[in-house]
Amino acid sequence: AQKITQTQPGMFVQEKEAVTLDCTYDTSDQSYGLFWYKQPSSGEMIFLIYQGSYDEQNATEGRYSLNFQKARKSANLVISASQLGDSAMYFCAMREFTPNDYKLSFGAGTTVTVRA
Amino acid sequence: DAGVTQSPTHLIKTRGQQVTLRCSPKSGHDTVSWYQQALGQGPQFIFQYYEEEERQRGNFPDRFSGHQFPNYSSELNVNALLLGDSALYLCASSLGRPSYEQYFGPGTRLTVT
Repeated sequence: AQKITQTQPGMFVQEKEAVTLDCTYDTSDQSYGLFWYKQPSSGEMIFLIYQGSYDEQNATEGRYSLNFQKARKSANLVISASQLGDSAMYFCAMREFTPNDYKLSFGAGTTVTVRA
Repeated sequence: DAGVTQSPTHLIKTRGQQVTLRCSPKSGHDTVSWYQQALGQGPQFIFQYYEEEERQRGNFPDRFSGHQFPNYSSELNVNALLLGDSALYLCASSLGRPSYEQYFGPGTRLTVT
């Protein structure tokens, strides 16, 4: 079963506007972490933001914020004030903090194109 | 502070050949994970090495094997290459003790013809 679902294959956003990337996840564990990574065309995965399942407040990192809705099992990424350099592929990922499970499970990704 | 490095950047191999990819973790990190990312898809976990042992493996055949050296660097070996092995291979490093952050390298683009 798919653990991470990203339903938006591609999105266009105007420069300086905000964009929301959707992510839903599936787990029966109580302890887990949710991540967002950015992958430019160069290929490197760049860590953006992290949200733990027990964190009471939504995570924020500069222009990135995570809208965490635990009951809905969603962890949407909001990028504010989009810049041309934000054009990239964005991946949502999850790690379940169960014994002997160290892997990240990734979604299929969303391509974001920022227009001038 | 050196990040995660991988070599080579690109590689072209023929079906049936064997390939070795290399990864040096971020300074201070002792754990290395390998992921395969097919074109247009998200990365898939291959395995993770900690203290020179494979401590978790994803759903990949035995043709995929690895090694971790005492300096924490790692190799990924793929035998009997198939066309379907063409992908970007990403290495990620982290700390073995409970820590959630995994830092990724730039990847090795493998093309099998």
